[in-house]
Amino acid sequence: ETGVTQTPRHLVMGMTNKKSLKCEQHLGHNAMYWYKQSAKKPLELMFVYSLEERVENNSVPSRFSPECPNSSHLFLHLHTLQPEDSALYLCASSQEGGGGPPYEQYFGPGTRLTVT
Amino acid sequence: DQQVKQNSPSLSVQEGRISILNCDYTNSMFDYFLWYKKYPAEGPTFLISISSIKDKNEDGRFTVFLNKSAKHLSLHIVPSQPGDSAVYFCAASPSYNTNAGKSTFGDGTTLTVKP
Repeated sequence: ETGVTQTPRHLVMGMTNKKSLKCEQHLGHNAMYWYKQSAKKPLELMFVYSLEERVENNSVPSRFSPECPNSSHLFLHLHTLQPEDSALYLCASSQEGGGGPPYEQYFGPGTRLTVT
Repeated sequence: DQQVKQNSPSLSVQEGRISILNCDYTNSMFDYFLWYKKYPAEGPTFLISISSIKDKNEDGRFTVFLNKSAKHLSLHIVPSQPGDSAVYFCAASPSYNTNAGKSTFGDGTTLTVKP
């Protein structure tokens, strides 16, 4: 595997289910991100793990819970979601720090989530 | 308040002609800008970037122009090819944000290049 992988690619879940999205980066990067892309809206940054520090967007509901066990893996745990949470969830990674400008992010293919 | 705006949701051009995609921003702290391209069923891929110390950056058929006073940047693709048909996202970041790499994205512009 190369780049950034995400599983599953598609997920349909009920509002009472608990599921997890998985992301893995094979690029040796030190920062990982979760984004949400809803129809006709810009990419919304949800969570950042950078240099082992978690930076959380305070507007993300608690029904979304990230986990970053190491610099290569990122999870997004989902529970009691709402239909409006249906969207494309994208994972990304980048190499941060070093005193230079922000580097470009490498994105996974996304998980298309439908909440019924 | 949306800090990065791409006011044209779609653009259609003929193969071989120039494609110009526009992006406006409001946050004066932004001084590093990136363009990403996204095909259906794939994640965005990095295309080209520009720092505010420059007003132009060129990479092959792709050139990004930055007008700091107008808080405006544009991506020129010339000549356009059918394979360039995709959604193009503009992103902006403060360059000091090296430890988070957080970028603010625009809505995207869907480019269609007709053969």
